[in-house]
Amino acid sequence: ETGVTQSPTHLIKTRGQQVTLRCSSQSGHNTVSWYQQALGQGPQFIFQYYREEENGRGNFPPRFSGLQFPNYSSELNVNALELDDSALYLCASSLRLAGVGETQYFGPGTRLLVL
Amino acid sequence: EDKVVQSPLSLVVHEGDTVTLNCSYEVTNFRSLLWYKQEKKAPTFLFMLTSSGIEKKSGRLSSILDKKELFSILNITATQTGDSAVYLCAFYAGNNRKLIWGLGTSLAVNP
Repeated sequence: ETGVTQSPTHLIKTRGQQVTLRCSSQSGHNTVSWYQQALGQGPQFIFQYYREEENGRGNFPPRFSGLQFPNYSSELNVNALELDDSALYLCASSLRLAGVGETQYFGPGTRLLVL
Repeated sequence: EDKVVQSPLSLVVHEGDTVTLNCSYEVTNFRSLLWYKQEKKAPTFLFMLTSSGIEKKSGRLSSILDKKELFSILNITATQTGDSAVYLCAFYAGNNRKLIWGLGTSLAVNP
């Protein structure tokens, strides 16, 4: 167990709807990264939040947005859902350190199905 | 563009076999390489490698990085059915805070 939790575990939505996914980071961690993982693929970086600000973004459109709260928990919002948004959404928490990069610990993920 | 390639994509072995999984990369300003194991859901951390030639070991799993030849290997000895999973490698490069991932190697260990 990594101490990173995500909710909900599963979600079914229809095209055009909006969804909010939640992540609670491990105690002592200040950074949350979000990833999208399609079946048979490696995780794709969506964005990262550090001290409540977005700090790096992958190749995802603006309808993917996020927040980080003072307690370092985070939300991922997706507007105008498309069928291709169906995937496992993973959140990873870490303690930002200078140098070689920090170890990211993953939550169990939210599986989103868009019909 | 930074990229990482894992091989083989898929592997089926019998319990007790030893396997070697490969991860090669092309990056600018390499910082570190990480190995994760993914079963049904979230990837679980195995190793972080930053220095060339230094083996990291945990039980039956070990990994080493070759920064000159730009690859890493993950070895699993005396495999067990519980080792069945997708093994992912990822790295940090430059000033980027994002992990760049390979597609993974799917390992199936049959009894």
